[in-house]
Order: sequence, then C-alpha cells, then structure tokens
Amino acid sequence: DAGVIQSPRHEVTEMGQEVTLRCKPISGHDYLFWYRQTMMRGLELLIYFNNNVPIDDSGMPEDRFSAKMPNASFSTLKIQPSEPRDSAVYFCASSPGRGGTYEQYFGPGTRLTVT
Amino acid sequence: AQSVTQLGSHVSVSEGALVLLRCNYSSSVPPYLFWYVQYPNQGLQLLLKYTTGATLVKGINGFEAEFKKSETSFHLTKPSAHMSDAAEYFCAVSRSSGNTPLVFGKGTRLSVIA
Repeated sequence: DAGVIQSPRHEVTEMGQEVTLRCKPISGHDYLFWYRQTMMRGLELLIYFNNNVPIDDSGMPEDRFSAKMPNASFSTLKIQPSEPRDSAVYFCASSPGRGGTYEQYFGPGTRLTVT
Repeated sequence: AQSVTQLGSHVSVSEGALVLLRCNYSSSVPPYLFWYVQYPNQGLQLLLKYTTGATLVKGINGFEAEFKKSETSFHLTKPSAHMSDAAEYFCAVSRSSGNTPLVFGKGTRLSVIA
C-alpha cells in the first residue's frame, strides 16, 4: 500500500493567494483527518470526515479555510486568501474505522509558507 | 475535554541507556492512547497504542508503554537507546471512545548521544 499521499510537499505562496492542499487516503479507510502543526500550537485538528461527510469542522480557523471530500479517495483543503499566519505543516491522516483499529495513518505533510 | 501533557520538551540520553518519555492525560471517557514518532521532515508514525485489555503494550523498534489509570499516565520506555531513535515523540489521546480525532501533547524531542 502506498500510504497516505499528500501534494504538494512544499508550497510557497504570497499573501492573498489561494492555496489548495490535496490528500489521497489509504484505500478502504472510512475516516479522513486534517491536522495542522505549528511551533506555537503543536498539532491540532482542523476537520475530519467519515464516509466523505464532514463530521466536525470546529477546528477550522476561519471562513478562509474550507475542506471537501468529493469521493472516498480524495480530499482537498483550501485557503483563500492565504495569510502569513497560515504558514505551517498540514497533515492528512486516514483510519480504517472498523474492527477496533483506531490508529490513524499520517501522510508526509505539506509545508506551507505564506510570505 | 481531553488533554495530554508531556513532561520535558527535550530529553537527552546516551546510546545504550534507558529511554523514558513521560505522558499524562486527562480524559472524561475511557481513554484510547497512542504514541507517535516523527522524524525530521516526515509524517507521524504510530509506535504503539492502548485501547483495551493488557495495560503493558509493546510497539515497534523495541518501545513499550504502560497504561496506569490511577496515575493517568502512559509513559513510553525503551531499555536501550539507539542513535536511530533520535526524533520527536508525541503522545495522543482520542477525543472520545472509538474512531475520533486525536488530541496531541506538545511533543518531546529525544536526542541520543554517542
């Protein structure tokens, strides 16, 4: 299995630009999570999906952030417009959600720098 | 609400010495607990987990952790440190029972000295 795939691995953009981060979960996993990692706040949940349906988006910082999961094999996290304080590493994780296997499998992350 | 406290943002040990990384949690429900390791510029890799059953759990790379309910702790140990263990370690607790988001500690950076 290829694991969770995220693209791009690095993104450098200017303030005000739109940024789209992409995630392909492990095939057959029912849950998908988006986390953000910063030095100040550590790892924090942004949003998660179950069977492509958003369950909890209370961690999304503000309306500039949106996430979609149009099908079981693809999710996007969009920031529009981007701001320097959005600079962070964004992780996508997926989980089987069946049979008591609650571990989450993380992708390599997207390092976003907003100048 | 669930929370995790990792004591010590940086731990340094000699190669071959015992590794002990401390984690205390707060949970309003029976906790599901996890340890993850993060190598530089990589994602998080699961080391071990506790959901139910045996309180001493063994993970990959020789690590183990013991769930102590009375102490609300889930400390990570390894008898003999190896240079390749140098990384950032995160303790996490599930938000609630079942498959729910993880609440992470701030992390502990482990350095191994030759």
